[in-house]
Amino acid sequence: QSALTQPASVSGSPGQSITISCTGTSSDVGSYNLVSWYQQHPGKAPKLMIYEGSKRPSGVSNRFSGSKSGNTASLTISGLQAEDEADYYCCSYAGSSTSVFGGGTKLTVL
Amino acid sequence: QLQLQESGPGLVKPSETLSLTCTVSGGSISSSSYYWGWTRQPPGKGLEWIGSIYYSGSTYYNPSLKSRVTISVDTSKNQFSLKLSSVTAADTAVYYCARLPSDYDILTGYYVTGFDYWGQGTLVTVSS
Repeated sequence: QSALTQPASVSGSPGQSITISCTGTSSDVGSYNLVSWYQQHPGKAPKLMIYEGSKRPSGVSNRFSGSKSGNTASLTISGLQAEDEADYYCCSYAGSSTSVFGGGTKLTVL
Repeated sequence: QLQLQESGPGLVKPSETLSLTCTVSGGSISSSSYYWGWTRQPPGKGLEWIGSIYYSGSTYYNPSLKSRVTISVDTSKNQFSLKLSSVTAADTAVYYCARLPSDYDILTGYYVTGFDYWGQGTLVTVSS
């Protein structure tokens, strides 16, 4: 079970859109539409932003969206805002009730 | 509102066993709709899934930690616990407990959809 691959950092200006990729294998991301995404501000617990690939929990802004193609899932944030600056982690179901996280991506809002 | 709270020693000596408990309030740990899990985050690093448990006691562990991890559940206290043996400095991390909604389909079987509620986390330092 290897960690999913995310870019270490991405950046964008307020109002712009950014996309964070999350690459796994045919044993996790590619086999299930069960990728979740988490936002983590410094010193805080992670917060669920997307589950089952593209679903948003109640209260999460519709500026956050998720998608998948093959072994790669993506998180897109549109209309970037200063408060979006945080670390973002993807996580995939990997079969047999197991989970695997990505290494995390630091989003900087310029 | 569901709340999870981790508790346990903040300092553990090398080679000893780390023990943490997660107390769930505002909901029942015995619900058939959820698994309960532990993750950790070393200082300045990313998240790592440690393992999960179903209220029935069925457990699922990260293969890289499986030989040292035990997760258990106490439905009478609405708690679940983590034990990690033979700790080293590499086990120093913030440990989080969380809830994982689960579902079933005929192709996948039972599966979890993500971590929807998290505890605040507790820092455990391994040092003599």
